Amino acid sequence: GAVVSQHPSWVICKSGTSVKIECRSLDFQATTMFWYRQFPKQSLMLMATSNEGSKATYEQGVEKDKFLINHASLTLSTLTVTSAHPEDSSFYICSARTGNGNTIYFGEGSWLTVV
Amino acid sequence: GDSVTQMEGPVTLSEEAFLTINCTYTATGYPSLFWYVQYPGEGLQLLLKATKADDKGSNKGFEATYRKETTSFHLEKGSVQVSDSAVYFCALSQGGSEKLVFGKGTKLTVNP
Repeated sequence: GAVVSQHPSWVICKSGTSVKIECRSLDFQATTMFWYRQFPKQSLMLMATSNEGSKATYEQGVEKDKFLINHASLTLSTLTVTSAHPEDSSFYICSARTGNGNTIYFGEGSWLTVV
Repeated sequence: GDSVTQMEGPVTLSEEAFLTINCTYTATGYPSLFWYVQYPGEGLQLLLKATKADDKGSNKGFEATYRKETTSFHLEKGSVQVSDSAVYFCALSQGGSEKLVFGKGTKLTVNP
């Protein structure tokens, strides 16, 4: 079946550096991908909706200049956390919608720790 | 805004025990309701869904009924297996929107 893969699964970075998380749809083309994050003991929250070839749409309260989203191809979206700080430590998970829009598949998630 | 509240975990059960994970929601209108499951090392997968009041979603022995009067969508299974150990998320979406609003997730561990 369709699979969405995220990389890396775990990443530790130093405060002030940038880190990139990739989300790939492995056997289907995804015109739309979604990025969520989950802080400890909180709900998964939608950060942004990424459409191939256009700018991402960010949810209220999410800094677009800090969380850069690029969806340059139909199988890859990337989330770059710029100038990361410890408060950005979280579980980030992506999902991708199939071309016919009927199904959404989630990646495995990426744990980010900023030290 | 819309929100989902689900039972705090973790939940630990013995094999063949009865499972209930409570989920209630706050939303305007008539949202669609979902249960997602995340097995260790894998992505979230849709387990079941219900799109209108009194609908019952079912899959893999799990069931949940959309109760508008109590704004609930509790997940149940009559006899859990070790392979059901996972994190379960309750979620809603409005009017065909692709935006999902999730609960915090409930970790279930089933011991042999």
